[in-house]
Amino acid sequence: GDSVTQMEGPVTLSEEACLTINCTYTATGYPSLFWYVQYPGEGLQLLLKATKADDKGSNKGFEATYRKETTSFHLEKGSVQVSDSAVYFCALIRSNDYKLSFGAGTTVTVRA
Amino acid sequence: EAQVTQNPRYLITVTGKKLTVTCSQNMNHEYMSWYRQDPGLGLRQIYYSMNVEVTDKGDVPEGYKVSRKEKRNFPLILESPSPNQTSLYFCASRPTGYNYGYTFGSGTRLTVV
Repeated sequence: GDSVTQMEGPVTLSEEACLTINCTYTATGYPSLFWYVQYPGEGLQLLLKATKADDKGSNKGFEATYRKETTSFHLEKGSVQVSDSAVYFCALIRSNDYKLSFGAGTTVTVRA
Repeated sequence: EAQVTQNPRYLITVTGKKLTVTCSQNMNHEYMSWYRQDPGLGLRQIYYSMNVEVTDKGDVPEGYKVSRKEKRNFPLILESPSPNQTSLYFCASRPTGYNYGYTFGSGTRLTVV
């Protein structure tokens, strides 16, 4: 079945540091890939997405590139802020499915 | 504003007392889904619906019911809640087409004592 594997947290960073959260997936066909973010006490918000190989999704300074050859979709940000403290989820949807399959989530804390 | 609205946000109930968590979306989305989020287990799909009157089980459907009588509404029903259903619940919707992500509601934190 489909699966998404994220690097385990928690991750603690200082402001302006670089952030990378690794995500790899297992799925048949060509899934669409997503990063969601959950701020404390809130629901999940779509951060960015990519729907085909070599697509780059970007939003709020975050980027991720759909790498089919390595089945990866790593999230990166060059300079984090305290407001980026949240839980980040990698997820996928297969073309013939209705389910969003999530990774376990990575908790990121950014300190001033 | 395009959104998914869940109610209530917080609920404490007793074992066996039937309850309904409502979910409504104003984006005319075909697909709707319920997830539960638990520490160490992540997000798991409970039920989903492809359109009005079309629903199917997700990964953890036991103890839950759903209905989709109108396109905008997708209530989650717990006929006899038990403590193991204490969780954070999210409703989500998306349009047809797998390259669209789901839009999530703000969540319902349910405690069953």
